[in-house]
Amino acid sequence: GAGVSQSPSNKVTEKGKDVELRCDPISGHTALYWYRQSLGQGLEFLIYFQGNSAPDKSGLPSDRFSAERTGGSVSTLTIQRTQQEDSAVYLCASSLALQGGYGYTFGSGTRLTVV
Amino acid sequence: KQEVTQIPAALSVPEGENLVLNCSFTDSAIYNLQWFRQDPGKGLTSLLLIQSSQREQTSGRLNASLDKSSGRSTLYIAASQPGDSATYLCAVPKGSQGNLIFGKGTKLSVKP
Repeated sequence: GAGVSQSPSNKVTEKGKDVELRCDPISGHTALYWYRQSLGQGLEFLIYFQGNSAPDKSGLPSDRFSAERTGGSVSTLTIQRTQQEDSAVYLCASSLALQGGYGYTFGSGTRLTVV
Repeated sequence: KQEVTQIPAALSVPEGENLVLNCSFTDSAIYNLQWFRQDPGKGLTSLLLIQSSQREQTSGRLNASLDKSSGRSTLYIAASQPGDSATYLCAVPKGSQGNLIFGKGTKLSVKP
C-alpha cells in the first residue's frame, strides 16, 4: 500500500480482556516496528521484525504482550489480560531495511483505552 | 547507551518568525537522524532524514542540519505559520539494531 495502515484506529476494552492490534506495512518494507506512546510521554520501543530473523522483543513490557508477523508482511500485536496502564497509542512503523540510511514511515496509530 | 534530548520542551512564537529546534544525542556513531512531526492525537509524519555522511537536508521551509562529532542536530523553520503548530521529534537508530531512539519532543505553538 501507499502507507502504513493500522487498525482499528480506536479501541475501548474492558480490563482483563485480550486485544489484537493490526499493522499493514508498506509493500516491500522488510523491517517493521511497534512503539507505544502513553499520554504525555515519549515513544517507547516495543518490538521489531526484520525479514525472517527472530524478532527483537527486548522492549515488550511484560509477558502479556506478544507480536507476530505473518509472511513477512502484516503484523499483529496482542495484549492479553489488559490493564489500565496499557492505555496508550500504539504506533507501527516500517522501513526498507533494518539499518543504514533508510527512514521510517509510521502509521496513524491505534488508540487503546482500557476501562 | 544512546540518549536523545530535545530543547526546548515547548516553544511559542508569533507567526512569521524563523525558529530553531535543537536535538542532541550522546553516541555520535549513528547511521542517520530523522525529524518527525506529530499533530495531537495523530501518528508521526516524517519531515527530513539526514544520512550520517550529510550535513543538512532541506524541504520547503524546513532545513535540518547534522553535526555528528558534536552530537547535535537542528531543525530550522523559516517564516513560521499557525499550521506548523505540532510536536517535533528527532530520532536516531539504536546502534546497529535499527529501532529508533526518540527525544521527548518540542511542542511548537505558532500564534496568528
